[in-house]
Amino acid sequence: DAGVIQSPRHEVTEMGQEVTLRCKPISGHDYLFWYRQTMMRGLELLIYFNNNVPIDDSGMPEDRFSAKMPNASFSTLKIQPSEPRDSAVYFCASSLGQRGLAGGGAHTDTQYFGPGTRLTVL
Amino acid sequence: AQKITQTQPGMFVQEKEAVTLDCTYDTSDPSYGLFWYKQPSSGEMIFLIYQGSYDQQNATEGRYSLNFQKARKSANLVISASQLGDSAMYFCAMSPRGFQKLVFGTGTRLLVSP
Repeated sequence: DAGVIQSPRHEVTEMGQEVTLRCKPISGHDYLFWYRQTMMRGLELLIYFNNNVPIDDSGMPEDRFSAKMPNASFSTLKIQPSEPRDSAVYFCASSLGQRGLAGGGAHTDTQYFGPGTRLTVL
Repeated sequence: AQKITQTQPGMFVQEKEAVTLDCTYDTSDPSYGLFWYKQPSSGEMIFLIYQGSYDQQNATEGRYSLNFQKARKSANLVISASQLGDSAMYFCAMSPRGFQKLVFGTGTRLLVSP
């Protein structure tokens, strides 16, 4: 079965340009996550969707960032306008659902990551 | 707020030896899940192993095992019989109850030498 697919793998753009990152989750997975990885801040969650609906976007850094999931097999993360400090590796991940806990409640099931998009903004 | 601490920025081990990568976490909720991921130099994040906070036994997956000590809030990853291909960054992560997100530590870089 195919894993999470991301495109492009590398993106170099100039400050002020619009950047669109794309993600295809694993078929049948109900949750989709966008993460950003930088040396300074490590891995941080930007936004996640459940059944195509954005649930938590509190990690989106500012209004220049937006994410959509028009259907179960496609999501985009857009940066407009881009800035040099947006340079990072952006990961998309998906999970099947929730994992129940023996003590009650649930949390995320295993998240499977795509290969990432390395974004460089000059 | 939940926090993951990985105190070893780098670890060295010789091929075929075992190595332990440390992970401690901070949460007031007794229900949570713990994950370990591997990130080789190629950049992808690879899931290795999972431990639920109420699981009775420590998780094992092939050469990977998780030394889970709930009272000490630690979830160390043990890699047995290290291989050159194990050289990578290793991240510990936690998912609190009621949340769908992962909180990651800063990672440990493991270098396996021949």
